[in-house]
Amino acid sequence: DVKVTQSSRYLVKRTGEKVFLECVQDMDHENMFWYRQDPGLGLRLIYFSYDVKMKEKGDIPEGYSVSREKKERFSLILESASTNQTSMYLCASSQPSGGLSYEQYFGPGTRLTVT
Amino acid sequence: DAKTTQPTSMDCAEGRAANLPCNHSTISGNEYVYWYRQIHSQGPQYIIHGLKNNETNEMASLIITEDRKSSTLILPHATLRDTAVYYCIVRVGAGGTSYGKLTFGQGTILTVHP
Repeated sequence: DVKVTQSSRYLVKRTGEKVFLECVQDMDHENMFWYRQDPGLGLRLIYFSYDVKMKEKGDIPEGYSVSREKKERFSLILESASTNQTSMYLCASSQPSGGLSYEQYFGPGTRLTVT
Repeated sequence: DAKTTQPTSMDCAEGRAANLPCNHSTISGNEYVYWYRQIHSQGPQYIIHGLKNNETNEMASLIITEDRKSSTLILPHATLRDTAVYYCIVRVGAGGTSYGKLTFGQGTILTVHP
Protein backbone atom coordinates (compact mmCIF):
# COMPACT_ATOMS: atom_id res chain seq x y z
CA ASP A 1 0.00 0.00 0.00
CA VAL A 2 1.08 3.53 -0.71
CA LYS A 3 1.97 5.26 2.46
CA VAL A 4 2.27 8.97 3.07
CA THR A 5 3.36 9.89 6.57
CA GLN A 6 3.50 13.24 8.27
CA SER A 7 5.82 13.98 11.15
CA SER A 8 3.18 15.02 13.67
CA ARG A 9 -0.59 14.67 14.05
CA TYR A 10 -0.82 17.63 16.41
CA LEU A 11 1.53 20.56 16.86
CA VAL A 12 1.35 23.70 18.99
CA LYS A 13 3.71 26.57 18.25
CA ARG A 14 4.06 30.17 19.33
CA THR A 15 3.71 33.19 17.10
CA GLY A 16 6.99 34.01 15.38
CA GLU A 17 8.46 30.53 15.66
CA LYS A 18 9.89 28.77 12.64
CA VAL A 19 7.88 25.62 11.99
CA PHE A 20 8.83 22.58 9.93
CA LEU A 21 6.22 20.10 8.75
CA GLU A 22 7.67 16.95 7.26
CA CYS A 23 6.09 14.57 4.78
CA VAL A 24 7.51 11.27 3.55
CA GLN A 25 6.11 8.95 0.88
CA ASP A 26 7.31 5.43 0.20
CA MET A 27 6.14 4.90 -3.39
CA ASP A 28 8.83 6.75 -5.29
CA HIS A 29 6.27 9.31 -6.49
CA GLU A 30 7.51 12.27 -8.45
CA ASN A 31 4.81 14.74 -7.42
CA MET A 32 4.20 15.95 -3.90
CA PHE A 33 1.77 18.55 -2.58
CA TRP A 34 1.02 20.57 0.53
CA TYR A 35 -2.54 21.68 1.23
CA ARG A 36 -4.20 23.39 4.16
CA GLN A 37 -7.77 22.74 5.14
CA ASP A 38 -9.98 25.20 6.98
CA PRO A 39 -13.69 25.03 7.81
CA GLY A 40 -15.78 26.57 5.05
CA LEU A 41 -12.80 26.96 2.73
CA GLY A 42 -12.08 23.38 1.74
CA LEU A 43 -8.59 22.26 0.77
CA ARG A 44 -6.30 24.88 -0.65
CA LEU A 45 -3.01 24.15 -2.36
CA ILE A 46 0.03 25.85 -0.84
CA TYR A 47 2.94 24.45 -2.85
CA PHE A 48 3.72 21.45 -4.96
CA SER A 49 6.84 19.80 -6.29
CA TYR A 50 7.23 17.71 -9.40
CA ASP A 51 10.83 16.68 -8.91
CA VAL A 52 13.68 16.90 -6.45
CA LYS A 53 14.66 20.53 -5.84
CA MET A 54 11.75 21.70 -8.00
CA LYS A 55 8.78 23.56 -6.57
CA GLU A 56 5.79 25.53 -7.77
CA LYS A 57 3.53 27.92 -5.90
CA GLY A 58 -0.02 26.85 -5.38
CA ASP A 59 -2.97 29.06 -4.64
CA ILE A 60 -1.90 30.39 -1.23
CA PRO A 61 1.93 30.31 -0.93
CA GLU A 62 2.30 33.50 1.10
CA GLY A 63 3.96 32.91 4.45
CA TYR A 64 5.22 29.47 3.47
CA SER A 65 8.23 27.92 1.80
CA VAL A 66 9.07 24.34 0.88
CA SER A 67 12.06 22.10 0.48
CA ARG A 68 12.51 18.92 -1.53
CA GLU A 69 16.05 17.64 -1.18
CA LYS A 70 15.14 13.99 -1.62
CA LYS A 71 12.43 12.45 -3.77
CA GLU A 72 10.59 10.87 -0.86
CA ARG A 73 10.53 13.91 1.41
CA PHE A 74 8.72 17.23 1.06
CA SER A 75 8.93 19.78 3.85
CA LEU A 76 6.68 22.74 4.48
CA ILE A 77 8.25 25.63 6.35
CA LEU A 78 6.51 28.45 8.15
CA GLU A 79 9.29 31.02 8.48
CA SER A 80 7.51 33.00 11.20
CA ALA A 81 4.32 31.35 12.33
CA SER A 82 1.25 33.51 12.74
CA THR A 83 -2.14 32.77 14.28
CA ASN A 84 -3.82 32.80 10.87
CA GLN A 85 -1.72 29.79 9.96
CA THR A 86 -3.56 27.69 12.51
CA SER A 87 -5.00 24.95 10.32
CA MET A 88 -4.97 21.31 9.26
CA TYR A 89 -2.06 20.68 6.90
CA LEU A 90 -2.27 17.80 4.46
CA CYS A 91 0.50 16.33 2.35
CA ALA A 92 -0.13 14.27 -0.77
CA SER A 93 1.85 12.50 -3.46
CA SER A 94 1.10 11.24 -6.94
CA GLN A 95 2.74 9.65 -9.90
CA PRO A 96 1.93 10.54 -13.50
CA SER A 97 0.55 7.46 -15.21
CA GLY A 98 1.23 7.47 -18.90
CA GLY A 99 -0.87 10.44 -19.89
CA LEU A 100 -4.06 9.27 -18.22
CA SER A 101 -4.85 10.67 -14.82
CA TYR A 102 -3.50 11.40 -11.42
CA GLU A 103 -4.53 9.75 -8.20
CA GLN A 104 -3.30 11.55 -5.13
CA TYR A 105 -2.48 9.77 -1.92
CA PHE A 106 -2.86 11.81 1.23
CA GLY A 107 -1.23 11.65 4.61
CA PRO A 108 -3.24 11.76 7.85
CA GLY A 109 -2.72 15.49 8.32
CA THR A 110 -1.05 17.68 10.92
CA ARG A 111 -3.27 19.93 12.99
CA LEU A 112 -1.17 23.00 13.74
CA THR A 113 -2.17 25.51 16.36
CA VAL A 114 -0.28 28.80 16.57
CA THR A 115 -0.81 30.69 19.81
CA ASP B 1 -10.36 23.43 -14.37
CA ALA B 2 -14.15 23.23 -14.53
CA LYS B 3 -16.18 24.22 -11.50
CA THR B 4 -18.38 21.64 -9.80
CA THR B 5 -21.61 21.95 -7.83
CA GLN B 6 -22.63 19.41 -5.19
CA PRO B 7 -25.39 19.33 -2.59
CA THR B 8 -24.19 20.39 0.83
CA SER B 9 -25.44 17.28 2.59
CA MET B 10 -27.26 13.99 2.05
CA ASP B 11 -28.54 11.17 4.20
CA CYS B 12 -28.67 7.47 3.44
CA ALA B 13 -29.88 4.40 5.33
CA GLU B 14 -27.33 1.70 6.02
CA GLY B 15 -27.44 -1.04 3.38
CA ARG B 16 -29.10 1.15 0.79
CA ALA B 17 -27.43 2.71 -2.23
CA ALA B 18 -26.08 6.21 -1.82
CA ASN B 19 -26.28 8.32 -4.97
CA LEU B 20 -24.21 11.48 -4.84
CA PRO B 21 -24.76 13.96 -7.70
CA CYS B 22 -22.30 16.44 -9.14
CA ASN B 23 -22.87 19.12 -11.78
CA HIS B 24 -19.98 20.19 -13.99
CA SER B 25 -21.68 21.95 -16.88
CA THR B 26 -18.50 23.73 -18.06
CA ILE B 27 -16.41 20.59 -18.32
CA SER B 28 -14.03 20.44 -21.27
CA GLY B 29 -13.44 17.48 -23.53
CA ASN B 30 -10.10 16.58 -21.96
CA GLU B 31 -11.20 16.89 -18.34
CA TYR B 32 -11.74 13.92 -16.08
CA VAL B 33 -14.20 13.59 -13.22
CA TYR B 34 -12.61 12.49 -9.94
CA TRP B 35 -14.20 11.55 -6.66
CA TYR B 36 -12.46 11.65 -3.30
CA ARG B 37 -13.81 11.31 0.19
CA GLN B 38 -12.61 12.46 3.57
CA ILE B 39 -13.56 10.64 6.71
CA HIS B 40 -13.42 12.74 9.85
CA SER B 41 -9.86 13.45 11.06
CA GLN B 42 -8.27 11.67 8.11
CA GLY B 43 -6.73 12.79 4.82
CA PRO B 44 -8.79 12.57 1.62
CA GLN B 45 -9.00 9.20 -0.07
CA TYR B 46 -9.26 8.59 -3.80
CA ILE B 47 -12.42 6.70 -4.84
CA ILE B 48 -12.77 6.63 -8.59
CA HIS B 49 -12.37 8.66 -11.75
CA GLY B 50 -13.70 8.68 -15.33
CA LEU B 51 -13.64 10.54 -18.61
CA LYS B 52 -16.83 9.63 -20.43
CA ASN B 53 -17.63 5.99 -19.83
CA ASN B 54 -19.19 4.67 -16.66
CA GLU B 55 -16.66 3.21 -14.29
CA THR B 56 -16.83 0.71 -11.44
CA ASN B 57 -14.30 -0.43 -8.88
CA GLU B 58 -14.43 -2.18 -5.53
CA MET B 59 -15.51 0.99 -3.77
CA ALA B 60 -18.07 2.61 -6.03
CA SER B 61 -19.56 3.22 -9.46
CA LEU B 62 -19.35 6.43 -11.43
CA ILE B 63 -22.08 7.31 -13.90
CA ILE B 64 -21.32 10.17 -16.29
CA THR B 65 -24.11 11.59 -18.45
CA GLU B 66 -23.72 11.47 -22.20
CA ASP B 67 -23.19 15.24 -22.44
CA ARG B 68 -20.70 14.95 -19.52
CA LYS B 69 -22.28 17.89 -17.73
CA SER B 70 -23.10 15.88 -14.64
CA SER B 71 -22.18 12.67 -12.89
CA THR B 72 -23.30 10.48 -10.01
CA LEU B 73 -21.19 8.54 -7.57
CA ILE B 74 -22.94 5.40 -6.38
CA LEU B 75 -22.05 3.54 -3.21
CA PRO B 76 -24.12 0.39 -3.77
CA HIS B 77 -24.53 -0.73 -0.14
CA ALA B 78 -23.65 2.12 2.15
CA THR B 79 -22.25 1.33 5.59
CA LEU B 80 -21.76 3.52 8.64
CA ARG B 81 -18.07 3.76 7.71
CA ASP B 82 -19.03 5.52 4.48
CA THR B 83 -20.07 8.60 6.46
CA ALA B 84 -17.70 11.23 5.10
CA VAL B 85 -17.38 14.34 2.97
CA TYR B 86 -17.41 13.44 -0.72
CA TYR B 87 -15.63 15.66 -3.20
CA CYS B 88 -16.28 15.80 -6.93
CA ILE B 89 -13.36 17.30 -8.84
CA VAL B 90 -12.95 17.99 -12.52
CA ARG B 91 -9.53 18.46 -14.04
CA VAL B 92 -7.40 17.58 -17.00
CA GLY B 93 -5.49 14.33 -17.00
CA ALA B 94 -1.73 13.94 -16.85
CA GLY B 95 0.47 16.26 -18.82
CA GLY B 96 0.61 20.00 -19.09
CA THR B 97 2.03 22.11 -16.33
CA SER B 98 -0.43 21.53 -13.52
CA TYR B 99 1.27 18.29 -12.40
CA GLY B 100 -1.90 16.75 -11.07
CA LYS B 101 -3.02 19.65 -8.91
CA LEU B 102 -6.53 19.08 -7.53
CA THR B 103 -8.94 21.83 -6.57
CA PHE B 104 -11.29 20.69 -3.82
CA GLY B 105 -14.64 22.41 -3.35
CA GLN B 106 -16.93 22.11 -0.33
CA GLY B 107 -18.11 18.61 -1.12
CA THR B 108 -21.19 16.73 0.09
CA ILE B 109 -21.47 15.57 3.67
CA LEU B 110 -22.93 12.06 3.46
CA THR B 111 -24.37 10.69 6.67
CA VAL B 112 -25.25 7.01 6.73
CA HIS B 113 -27.83 6.14 9.39
CA PRO B 114 -28.36 2.74 11.04
